[in-house]
Amino acid sequence: DQQVKQNSPSLSVQEGRISILNCDYTNSMFDYFLWYKKYPAEGPTFLISISSIKDKNEDGRFTVFLNKSAKHLSLHIVPSQPGDSAVYFCAASEAGGTSYGKLTFGQGTILTVHP
Amino acid sequence: GAGVSQSPSNKVTEKGKDVELRCDPISGHTALYWYRQSLGQGLEFLIYFQGNSAPDKSGLPSDRFSAERTGGSVSTLTIQRTQQEDSAVYLCASSLATSGSGEQYFGPGTRLTVT
Repeated sequence: DQQVKQNSPSLSVQEGRISILNCDYTNSMFDYFLWYKKYPAEGPTFLISISSIKDKNEDGRFTVFLNKSAKHLSLHIVPSQPGDSAVYFCAASEAGGTSYGKLTFGQGTILTVHP
Repeated sequence: GAGVSQSPSNKVTEKGKDVELRCDPISGHTALYWYRQSLGQGLEFLIYFQGNSAPDKSGLPSDRFSAERTGGSVSTLTIQRTQQEDSAVYLCASSLATSGSGEQYFGPGTRLTVT
């Protein structure tokens, strides 16, 4: 049962354009969402997060949008740069309760930004 | 400052052998998580430590898997009688907070190959 889904295995974008990565979730108990970026042979690095009480969070070129009713979030990168090429993972957690903050990850989307 | 470190970076072992994977979290981080990433999959939660205790072992795939943490710091993940399906990248993460709003910092992972 895949509770967090990234339906696009890959995305190719031209440098300077917008990259939009999508993520869907099924568990209504999730109330905190994160995006991680991963380069080959490295661990994932935290990019940006959003609490369920918000619908948008922005940090420089990165913006995350959350649509709770649709159980959907997206990461926008604008403008995209070749250095953004990596695997992007969407993750979710239950901020409270007994989940202990463990993250449930999507399968990842490989982003390639062409010069 | 020092991040999360893991050793070995790569491990090739024969089916049926036992392996030990080590994680050194960021100093002062009380929460420690183990995940694994199989080929083409997202990260899968294995076990969570708060201090030296493991309140959530729900992700361990079988009783061949065990983990311990000593001194509230170093953790080892042990896989007994390894099987080919155990081949994956094993990632360790640490966090200051135990709630879902705590950002997790990942190590580079240990790539385990069972032949």
